[in-house]
Amino acid sequence: DAKTTQPPSMDCAEGRAANLPCNHSTISGNEYVYWYRQIHSQGPQYIIHGLKNNETNEMASLIITEDRKSSTLILPHATLRDTAVYYCIVRPTSGTYKYIFGTGTRLKVLA
Amino acid sequence: SAVISQKPSRDICQRGTSLTIQCQVDSQVTMMFWYRQQPGQSLTLIATANQGSEATYESGFVIDKFPISRPNLTFSTLTVSNMSPEDSSIYLCSVVTFGGEKLFFGSGTQLSVL
Repeated sequence: DAKTTQPPSMDCAEGRAANLPCNHSTISGNEYVYWYRQIHSQGPQYIIHGLKNNETNEMASLIITEDRKSSTLILPHATLRDTAVYYCIVRPTSGTYKYIFGTGTRLKVLA
Repeated sequence: SAVISQKPSRDICQRGTSLTIQCQVDSQVTMMFWYRQQPGQSLTLIATANQGSEATYESGFVIDKFPISRPNLTFSTLTVSNMSPEDSSIYLCSVVTFGGEKLFFGSGTQLSVL
């Protein structure tokens, strides 16, 4: 079973920051938090991942709470093309590369 | 990164028949996985395709229904056997490259069973 919970849907105005929360209260010290997104009819696409520290790349920022029990994916300036289902996944740092997907958050960016 | 080609991209099949889906990667990869995505649902892991040995299936999936081959480090097939309308889904191949940890996905195979 997936080890994360996410809100089923969110709306965001175009040009504004989209903040997508994820709860992973049972995460252990040797598990990463990964974020993927799936645009309609395509395979999921990697966005970002982190272990303890906050991370930023050209697509997004990942904020992980100090206790690591939750995280937030931030899309700083959402565009219509960011409309997608966003998945938060917890995965061990070693031993297995199995990614177990939860139900995800359907983000709709509004013009 | 890895470029993954899946064939066919879509198919419409009659119940009781079988379909084999091919996954070809442009470079050698360490791990290959097969996922199913039923209409309106999230992705469910079917199995890990192991090179030269039997695939490792997740709970609820069996080899007789979803036989998988992986003859080398760049290619795998998934067969959906004795299909029923409940097998109508998108089937996705995914890989992890050597030295990497990210999962890369093919564009999927849209299967409809009548």
